[in-house]
Amino acid sequence: GAVVSQHPSRVICKSGTSVKIECRSLDFQATTMFWYRQFPKQSLMLMATSNEGSKATYEQGVEKDKFLINHASLTLSTLTVTSAHPEDSSFYICSAPKGAATDQPQHFGDGTRLSIL
Amino acid sequence: SQQGEEDPQALSIQEGENATMNCSYKTSINNLQWYRQNSGRGLVHLILIRSNEREKHSGRLRVTLDTSKKSSSLLITASRAADTASYFCAPNTGNQFYFGTGTSLTVIP
Repeated sequence: GAVVSQHPSRVICKSGTSVKIECRSLDFQATTMFWYRQFPKQSLMLMATSNEGSKATYEQGVEKDKFLINHASLTLSTLTVTSAHPEDSSFYICSAPKGAATDQPQHFGDGTRLSIL
Repeated sequence: SQQGEEDPQALSIQEGENATMNCSYKTSINNLQWYRQNSGRGLVHLILIRSNEREKHSGRLRVTLDTSKKSSSLLITASRAADTASYFCAPNTGNQFYFGTGTSLTVIP
């Protein structure tokens, strides 16, 4: 089946550090990937849609200069949390549809737990 | 809002019992999908039901869709302790997915 790998699984770092999270589709090409943020016992909040070869589309209220997204290839999207602060601590998850249609089932990475001290 | 809203927020049942979760949404959809999330993990796709379908089965899962009421239900039959997880519905309009807050299911052995 389709596999999405997300790395790292956990990051603990000091305030002010920039953190890069990678999302890879291992056995399929993904022209579109999605990035979510999840707070404890809450739903996934869609942050942005990552498009291969073009700019990401950010949801309202998400700072694009804070959360930099790069989708440089058909199998890799990265999310960089720039100058992270404690309020950025959260669980970040990526997903990708297997196929061109974005209404198809999403394949999720296992998430990255980000803790900013 | 394109978000799905699940009900109940939490559900606790004995192993072997059936679990029913409901989802309501507000917009027209292409399909509606159900996902499962184990604690601290990513989501796993369970089942997709298209807007022109009314019921779908997959193993111990049964999903219904009523587009006139903009609602869906997920039934897990003969529940197992391993079914303990959060379950999310995702109404899909063709572009993005907007998840609700989910139903937290606990199956007691």
